[in-house]
Amino acid sequence: GESVGLHLPTLSVQEGDNSIINCAYSNSASDYFIWYKQESGKGPQFIIDIRSNMDKRQGQRVTVLLNKTVKHLSLQIAATQPGDSAVYFCAENSNAGNMLTFGGGTRLMVKP
Amino acid sequence: DTEVTQTPKHLVMGMTNKKSLKCEQHMGHRAMYWYKQKAKKPPELMFVYSYEKLSINESVPSRFSPECPNSSLLNLHLHALQPEDSALYLCASSQGAAPYEQYFGPGTRLTVT
Repeated sequence: GESVGLHLPTLSVQEGDNSIINCAYSNSASDYFIWYKQESGKGPQFIIDIRSNMDKRQGQRVTVLLNKTVKHLSLQIAATQPGDSAVYFCAENSNAGNMLTFGGGTRLMVKP
Repeated sequence: DTEVTQTPKHLVMGMTNKKSLKCEQHMGHRAMYWYKQKAKKPPELMFVYSYEKLSINESVPSRFSPECPNSSLLNLHLHALQPEDSALYLCASSQGAAPYEQYFGPGTRLTVT
């Protein structure tokens, strides 16, 4: 999902289902991407990263897929749990330094 | 220790006040960052310090003044702020100047009255 106006896109899933959160990034020269999870009242929490020489990376219950052809990034969460409810941001490193540019964010709501 | 700490958690200040936000990390990271985050929006980069030197200033107004006293500490001095500066101010750190994951603190919720 991408930010539209003042409202965050929302993905609502049933507990135990798999979740897929999408992100379109802007710069074809970006070479490093991160997914962050942000719970209400907290700072962003690192989930998983991927470099542009890869198209898939797996962590614990999470998988990030990178499609450089269409500049698309996705985060897959397996067996989604109530504790996964949060806003998820993708971020890209779009120059040779250490600047991250964040996408608009997607709110994930997990129904028990 | 993978923690970035920020103080205070909340701050209310008038437009004529001077206050400071503080950030600390003990991970040996050599890059530190200030971000501003408005409600329902992503974090926006303000400043980057790399090896204790200011390397990036994203055209931030001079009423925000960063300071990096040493490799573990980062301050943001605030003076003559406007109500629209009310936001969550996030500090982050990373291993170095190359693309690395940035670790964020919990933020300071700032309200300017």
